Amino acid sequence: GDSVTQMEGPVTLSEEAFLTINCTYTATGYPSLFWYVQYPGEGLQLLLKATKADDKGSNKGFEATYRKETTSFHLEKGSVQVSDSAVYFCALRMPNSGGSNYKLTFGKGTLLTVNP
Amino acid sequence: KAGVTQTPRYLIKTRGQQVTLSCSPISGHRSVSWYQQTPGQGLQFLFEYFSETQRNKGNFPGRFSGRQFSNSRSEMNVSTLELGDSALYLCASSLGPTTYEQYFGPGTRLTVT
Repeated sequence: GDSVTQMEGPVTLSEEAFLTINCTYTATGYPSLFWYVQYPGEGLQLLLKATKADDKGSNKGFEATYRKETTSFHLEKGSVQVSDSAVYFCALRMPNSGGSNYKLTFGKGTLLTVNP
Repeated sequence: KAGVTQTPRYLIKTRGQQVTLSCSPISGHRSVSWYQQTPGQGLQFLFEYFSETQRNKGNFPGRFSGRQFSNSRSEMNVSTLELGDSALYLCASSLGPTTYEQYFGPGTRLTVT
């Protein structure tokens, strides 16, 4: 079945450091890819998405490029802030078929801590 | 615009009891999905409803059930609670079954003792 593998954390960085969180996927088809962020005590927020190969999603300084050849969707940010401390989830969803909103398949999540 | 609301936010139940969790989607959203989040298994899909019909179901036992009302509000029920049901239950809403963007609520933290 479809699956998402993301680098295990926790990841601890100093403010203004460069961030990369690796994400690879396995899917029988061409999924849409997502990064969600979860702040302590809150639900998930969509951070960015890409729906086809070579698409780049970006938001709040975060970027990820859909790489079909390496089945990857790595999250990057050039300069992290303390406020970026959260858990980051990579997810995929297969294309709509038959009019149904298919489930999101998530990775295990990566805890990021940014120190001042 | 109000976000997805879930009630209650926290719940403590005893093994063997049953529980009902509620989710109110964003106004105008007609699709509601439920996920279970645990430290061991991560985020797992429970089921999805659209127009009061269950469209998809995850790999969970029959003790987990849900429904959706005509106003798109949704409830999920877990009967005969087990210790392993302790989790954060997240609800997500979207405009419809053909849209990709799901908006998540803050979740209900269920503890089974």
